[in-house]
Amino acid sequence: GAVVSQHPSWVICKSGTSVKIECRSLDFQATTMFWYRQFPKQSLMLMATSNEGSKATYEQGVEKDKFLINHASLTLSTLTVTSAHPEDSSFYICSAIEGRETQYFGPGTRLLVL
Amino acid sequence: AQSVTQLDSQVPVFEEAPVELRCNYSSSVSVYLFWYVQYPNQGLQLLLKYLSGSTLVESINGFEAEFNKSQTSFHLRKPSVHISDTAEYFCAVTNRGGYQKVTFGTGTKLQVIP
Repeated sequence: GAVVSQHPSWVICKSGTSVKIECRSLDFQATTMFWYRQFPKQSLMLMATSNEGSKATYEQGVEKDKFLINHASLTLSTLTVTSAHPEDSSFYICSAIEGRETQYFGPGTRLLVL
Repeated sequence: AQSVTQLDSQVPVFEEAPVELRCNYSSSVSVYLFWYVQYPNQGLQLLLKYLSGSTLVESINGFEAEFNKSQTSFHLRKPSVHISDTAEYFCAVTNRGGYQKVTFGTGTKLQVIP
């Protein structure tokens, strides 16, 4: 089946630093990838839709200058949390579409901002 | 607009007993339906999906779900659960006809008791 990887799996950083998370589709090309945020014991919240070669589409309430998304190739999308603060600590999950309707998810990245 | 309702936030069940996790959806158009499973500190894994054809779909590990259009439901069932089935289960829906945003339910925590 389709495999999506994320790197790193976890990261701890100081407040004010920027953190980059990579999402890769390993065995298929994904023109569309998605970034989600998940708080403890809650469902996934879609942050943005990432399209290869174009600007990401952000959901309402998500700061585009805070969460920079780049989808440089058909197998790689990156999420950069700029000037991270403790409230940005969360579990970030990416997904990629194979075909037109099924999303496959990465293993997630746990971010802890001190 | 579409929505997904998972009424049960937690379902405790004894090992080898049957289980049903309920999912109801609301949409003004035809949909695709999915069940994802999330193990602790991991991303989501696709468990099964309904796109078209037979309304009863099965996973490789014994789960099945039935699409009921009249009741707008997609309940997940397993006749005999194992300890390893302990996880969070998310029902999700997306509109047919080209990619649309996926809407997730709030999740059901299945706790299998030995």
